[in-house]
Amino acid sequence: AQSVSQHNHHVILSEAASLELGCNYSYGGTVNLFWYVQYPGQHLQLLLKYFSGDPLVKGIKGFEAEFIKSKFSFNLRKPSVQWSDTAEYFCAVSGHMNNNAGNMLTFGGGTRLMVKP
Amino acid sequence: EPEVTQTPSHQVTQMGQEVILRCVPISNHLYFYWYRQILGQKVEFLVSFYNNEISEKSEIFDDQFSVERPDGSNFTLKIRSTKLEDSAMYFCASSESSNQPQHFGDGTRLSIL
Repeated sequence: AQSVSQHNHHVILSEAASLELGCNYSYGGTVNLFWYVQYPGQHLQLLLKYFSGDPLVKGIKGFEAEFIKSKFSFNLRKPSVQWSDTAEYFCAVSGHMNNNAGNMLTFGGGTRLMVKP
Repeated sequence: EPEVTQTPSHQVTQMGQEVILRCVPISNHLYFYWYRQILGQKVEFLVSFYNNEISEKSEIFDDQFSVERPDGSNFTLKIRSTKLEDSAMYFCASSESSNQPQHFGDGTRLSIL
């Protein structure tokens, strides 16, 4: 069974600090990897995704993530956070399917990021 | 940008009652999903739906749960006889294909009394 773990439950940073949120997964096959963000009072939004190719993927709002297959990791980074990045961040994984079955996402527990102005 | 919409935003129901949660997926999407998040816990997959049938379901999705696409736009989750432990945030999602990202709605907060 697939699983995702996010090591940090709460992170507090000052504006302009660098961010790295850890994500490790367990899955016995080819994976698709995602980071979603949930701003206060809003729905889950896709930040970035990895399906194949360049393991360093860039997403919206200056976020990037690096897929390291040997470490089963997909850490999220941002060089300089802003107060508006305050949100909850979820790492998720799905299997890479080649059929018409739906593709369930397995989520990590989430990391609450608070950026102090 | 097209969005997944869910209604109601908050549903309060007595234990043992039936509840129907509604979702309107993005119009050109073909895959539909329900997830739930119990307070303080992870977002958990419930069920996926494609071509008018369930394609995958989790252990949570037992006989008290059912899904339906009653018309060309709505996708519903029915809980037949609600229990206290069904209290959670329920999220609907949709995607264009099985390997495209899922787009989520705002969720319905279900409170069972």
